[in-house]
Amino acid sequence: SSELTQPPSVSVSLGQTAMITCSGDGLAKQFAYWFRQKPGQAPVLVVSKDTERPSGIPERFSGSRSGTTVTLTISGVRAEDEADYFCQSSDISGSYVMFGGGTKLTVL
Amino acid sequence: QVHLVQSGAEVKKPGASVKVSCKASGYTFMNYDINWVRQATGQGLEWLGWLNPSSADTAYAQKFQDRVTITMDASISTAYLELINLRSEDTAVYFCARGVDTTDFSPGDYWGQGTLVTVSS
Repeated sequence: SSELTQPPSVSVSLGQTAMITCSGDGLAKQFAYWFRQKPGQAPVLVVSKDTERPSGIPERFSGSRSGTTVTLTISGVRAEDEADYFCQSSDISGSYVMFGGGTKLTVL
Repeated sequence: QVHLVQSGAEVKKPGASVKVSCKASGYTFMNYDINWVRQATGQGLEWLGWLNPSSADTAYAQKFQDRVTITMDASISTAYLELINLRSEDTAVYFCARGVDTTDFSPGDYWGQGTLVTVSS
């Protein structure tokens, strides 16, 4: 499959835990990556290769996988976490990049 | 530090071509792939293709296969995206992004600042 499916929006109360899912057949064989993007800015990598947290990304960001669904979890959500979040992976052959449609995280 | 600096905004007419540059610094250019990703206003991220500077291999999204070319000038650590036969739907911000590591072409934690390409008659 050449698609990654994310919920269009997720809302969470300040200090609670947000979970954003991403599903697609290609995830069975390929790593997933998560990006945070704020208006007018370039995307920022927050989780790499399913579960790795790049340097400088707070510990409250974590990634997990269950079969062909990956999840970005943000614990103790802060107001500054309000942004669009995109998952990314490759096609089954590992030759092409694909992005999910994005999830708008709203912090209440 | 690693930096990717892109060329400035462009305004083109339908049917024209555009070439956007991405100059890398702070690392060995040949060791990391370069991706090109675009984003129309209010829309998601759309991948166009990648370049392996070491082998000069490229791969393009099927949607853009016949209109996009990614090249490089290794002597100045610069990658280029050329898109031909522009249409209004190509109006977007175009980003270059370095591969996440030396063995994985997936876009990583270094992105250019973005180049706005506007296609309008």
